[in-house]
Amino acid sequence: LAKTTQPISMDSYEGQEVNITCSHNNIATNDYITWYQQFPSQGPRFIIQGYKTKVTNEVASLFIPADRKSSTLSLPRVSLSDTAVYYCLVGDDTGTASKLTFGTGTRLQVTL
Amino acid sequence: DGGITQSPKYLFRKEGQNVTLSCEQNLNHDAMYWYRQDPGQGLRLIYYSQIVNDFQKGDIAEGYSVSREKKESFPLTVTSAQKNPTAFYLCASSLRGEFYNEQFFGPGTRLTVL
Repeated sequence: LAKTTQPISMDSYEGQEVNITCSHNNIATNDYITWYQQFPSQGPRFIIQGYKTKVTNEVASLFIPADRKSSTLSLPRVSLSDTAVYYCLVGDDTGTASKLTFGTGTRLQVTL
Repeated sequence: DGGITQSPKYLFRKEGQNVTLSCEQNLNHDAMYWYRQDPGQGLRLIYYSQIVNDFQKGDIAEGYSVSREKKESFPLTVTSAQKNPTAFYLCASSLRGEFYNEQFFGPGTRLTVL
């Protein structure tokens, strides 16, 4: 399973765009890239998923370069409520016994 | 309302006791998962089940046991063999077992060993 690396923490002011990059150098052909958000004492919540190029939904965009060795979650104009931990996951469709983990994620702190 | 529920929200256990954490979903999902989260850490997979009557060990299955007798239920037992069970436990489900499927999480159970 592809290992992911993310920054431990990031700070931003309200209203700014935030970009969180995840490195996954040994991503496999069948792997998808998924991002989750977690608030304290709650379960993570799915944000966005992609395989290549760019994916956009109502809350975020996901940019994936051609080599797929990294991905960037982009949060437009963050607010205080976007303060959370963001996890990057890489997983495939084999369905075999896997060590899927959420890692330590990136702790985003948004301030006024 | 469709969703995934966990009970209890808080659980206290004496050393040497087994405890069972409940997880129920009415989303008609095939796959269910149990994770453990320690303070300031990410989630680690304990067990997962892709279908009824079948489950696989995750990263840290030692000291835990599960059953999947019904599609909607996936209880986790923390046994006395688990050396450091104090943690936040999260249950999740997904439509199917492939790992790219979106996982829906319950509210969690915070277990404290006294």
